[in-house]
Amino acid sequence: AQKITQTQPGMFVQEKEAVTLDCTYDTSDPSYGLFWYKQPSSGEMIFLIYQGSYDQQNATEGRYSLNFQKARKSANLVISASQLGDSAMYFCAMREDYTSGTYKYIFGTGTRLKVLA
Amino acid sequence: DTEVTQTPKHLVMGMTNKKSLKCEQHMGHRAMYWYKQKAKKPPELMFVYSYEKLSINESVPSRFSPECPNSSLLNLHLHALQPEDSALYLCASSQDSGAVAKNIQYFGAGTRLSVL
Repeated sequence: AQKITQTQPGMFVQEKEAVTLDCTYDTSDPSYGLFWYKQPSSGEMIFLIYQGSYDQQNATEGRYSLNFQKARKSANLVISASQLGDSAMYFCAMREDYTSGTYKYIFGTGTRLKVLA
Repeated sequence: DTEVTQTPKHLVMGMTNKKSLKCEQHMGHRAMYWYKQKAKKPPELMFVYSYEKLSINESVPSRFSPECPNSSLLNLHLHALQPEDSALYLCASSQDSGAVAKNIQYFGAGTRLSVL
């Protein structure tokens, strides 16, 4: 069965510094997608970044980058130049093929990030 | 535009009430999802609709009844809920266009439900 593991329940980072949020996954499917979402206290799940299993380069989106190490089955999120508004819960997720044409997304337990002024 | 709209934002209901949650997207996505999220926990999948047909029901109690009237709309009908059903209910949609496509799942802002 596919599985996502986030081992850091909570993280602190100083404003303007970089922070890495860890995510490891387990799957036997050669084709999969990995996602990171941000959930502020308001509740909305905000898509941040995507990495496909066949992508040769690490994904980047502005201040977000994904450190994809396929052999180690890790997909860590790096946030550069942290801002106070980055304080939120962060979820790593993986797309799982349920049947032909239908997908499920499984989520890790999340990491709560607090940015300090 | 990557907007998924959920209404209402907040809902308080008694255990004998009947209410509905509504979700709408205009991105042409063919898959729509309902999730339940308790505080400090990840979202739990409830239902998946693919091309307007129910594809996945994660053994959800019958007091939750999903409906997909068309490709842009998804409803969740609530009846005889229990206090433990109080949670954030999130709707999401994705393209579902093949295994190598991104199929990014976009979420609405959620409905905070309180059952008294």
